[in-house]
Amino acid sequence: AQKITQTQPGMFVQEKEAVTLDCTYDTSDPSYGLFWYKQPSSGEMIFLIYQGSYDQQNATEGRYSLNFQKARKSANLVISASQLGDSAMYFCAMRELNTGNQFYFGTGTSLTVIP
Amino acid sequence: DGGITQSPKYLFRKEGQNVTLSCEQNLNHDAMYWYRQDPGQGLRLIYYSQIVNDFQKGDIAEGYSVSREKKESFPLTVTSAQKNPTAFYLCASSILSGLVYNEQFFGPGTRLTVL
Repeated sequence: AQKITQTQPGMFVQEKEAVTLDCTYDTSDPSYGLFWYKQPSSGEMIFLIYQGSYDQQNATEGRYSLNFQKARKSANLVISASQLGDSAMYFCAMRELNTGNQFYFGTGTSLTVIP
Repeated sequence: DGGITQSPKYLFRKEGQNVTLSCEQNLNHDAMYWYRQDPGQGLRLIYYSQIVNDFQKGDIAEGYSVSREKKESFPLTVTSAQKNPTAFYLCASSILSGLVYNEQFFGPGTRLTVL
């Protein structure tokens, strides 16, 4: 079974609008962390935001927020006020306490911001 | 500045040749990883290492080999046994701990093309 599922291969958003990128995960470990990375066309992976399984509040980092619904095992990334520079691939990832230092990545969502 | 360096950025190789991709980090991280990314795809784990002189196979280790003689260095050799080596290769590192909130830091990647 896939540990991380991203069901949106591609998304489009108008500049200055908000967009939600979906991510669901599968784990039986009560202790886990969820991460979002951005990959521009240059290929580098840029860490955006983190959510821990025991965190009571949704994580926020500037224009990025994570809509964490633990019962539904979803960790959607919300980007507010989209900018042209947000066009990139976005990957959701998970790290489980029991598997120590392995990270599991989804297949990614390609976001295009339209001017 | 702390970070991860990968060299070279672009690499061309003739079919049947072995080639070694460099990965160096000065973040004092114990854990290091190698991922392969094909066009439009997610990241697949090749090998990871949690300590010097020790490493574990990931999901697609066949045709690859690694070494970890120093904490800072984790080179990846793509051997002639790898059937389809043309891909983008990413090296990453992370703090080794019993906690899940430590993200992975990534290098800029090496794009390997087999001619």
